[in-house]
Amino acid sequence: EPEVTQTPSHQVTQMGQEVILRCVPISNHLYFYWYRQILGQKVEFLVSFYNNEISEKSEIFDDQFSVERPDGSNFTLKIRSTKLEDSAMYFCASSGTGGTSTEAFFGQGTRLTVV
Amino acid sequence: QKEVEQNSGPLSVPEGAIASLNCTYSDRVSQSFFWYRQYSGKSPELIMSIYSNGDKEDGRFTAQLNKASQYVSLLIRDSQPSDSATYLCAVNQAGTALIFGKGTTLSVSS
Repeated sequence: EPEVTQTPSHQVTQMGQEVILRCVPISNHLYFYWYRQILGQKVEFLVSFYNNEISEKSEIFDDQFSVERPDGSNFTLKIRSTKLEDSAMYFCASSGTGGTSTEAFFGQGTRLTVV
Repeated sequence: QKEVEQNSGPLSVPEGAIASLNCTYSDRVSQSFFWYRQYSGKSPELIMSIYSNGDKEDGRFTAQLNKASQYVSLLIRDSQPSDSATYLCAVNQAGTALIFGKGTTLSVSS
């Protein structure tokens, strides 16, 4: 069964450092997303990506964040200068062919710890 | 501000009982409605989607949607201890981001 894969599963970084979280969406999906979940809180939307550009972003997704699809399979989230409050689970998700088929499938997540 | 509200629980039911989980949403133009299950420390797993008013059944799960009342529910029949998890309600318009509720924690005792 196709699935979304994320690497690494856990990343520890020092405050101020740059991190790149990687995702391989389901191969025939067209919409890609990043969400985050701070421990004990709800899943929050960061950004969506379609047709090689950002289609929607939340107010959380400020200038320290960027996304990229560097090749035909990977989708990355970069955090330029990490802060303590960036510590969270980051989930990548993808959904299929658009229209009414908006079911989004999530990867297993990357736990980011900023120290 | 688009909001999705869920009772955080915990909702405790004995094994074999029916668990009823509820969700309300604020955005009247929402088109798609989803239930995800999330085990502790894991990612959300899609278990049901519903797009039109009424009931949709899939195995032991039934989703119910009432757009006039802006209300979505999930019934789990014959609840099992393995159903113990947090259930997340999520809504969106076609092609837009999911808005999640905080989730309801379900505990099924054997």
